[in-house]
Amino acid sequence: DTEVTQTPKHLVMGMTNKKSLKCEQHMGHRAMYWYKQKAKKPPELMFVYSYEKLSINESVPSRFSPECPNSSLLNLHLHALQPEDSALYLCASSQGIRWSYGYTFGSGTRLTVV
Amino acid sequence: ELKVEQNPLFLSMQEGKNYTIYCNYSTTSDRLYWYRQDPGKSLESLFVLLSNGAVKQEGRLMASLDTKARLSTLHITAAVHDLSATYFCAVDGGYGGATNKLIFGTGTLLAVQP
Repeated sequence: DTEVTQTPKHLVMGMTNKKSLKCEQHMGHRAMYWYKQKAKKPPELMFVYSYEKLSINESVPSRFSPECPNSSLLNLHLHALQPEDSALYLCASSQGIRWSYGYTFGSGTRLTVV
Repeated sequence: ELKVEQNPLFLSMQEGKNYTIYCNYSTTSDRLYWYRQDPGKSLESLFVLLSNGAVKQEGRLMASLDTKARLSTLHITAAVHDLSATYFCAVDGGYGGATNKLIFGTGTLLAVQP
């Protein structure tokens, strides 16, 4: 299995809702990442997990809460989002955070906040 | 702080013509990636460049890396319409044992006209 699987593919949520994005990989990668991409912009790093521990938080607002329950799974919990949080959320994985020779990206979740 | 710049931001080409996209980055790194993104889609890995002087070719695309100049190029030969997409370079900020984090360039929107 050489894929990163993200669910759901599309999500529409109200500003008072709580929802979660899910990312899964079975390549034995020990580093996992969340990126946010606004339209016509490059992906921006949000969080890095290494061996299930949070390694980097790029000053992301607390309404985004990441979780890594095990080495194969990465979640992003969403609460009280704003319309400007609407974006494509990409998950990625790599072998590790020190020596990596490639990143595998998931197909993304298109999030719309209404 | 690692910064990655691409130029041009927008490139309109005629089919059959050649052109080069440039990617400059601000701090030392020996790992650089090129991705393609179609509208509304995720990132497709094109090339992984892991050392100074690395050159890789796939079809009409050729990528190179000069770590001393902190420059990578993506050369397009005899463009065809199917190459129309946004192209991102991305630099691995994990040089020297720091935590890997992939930082993306600004992106180049390529439009190949018949």
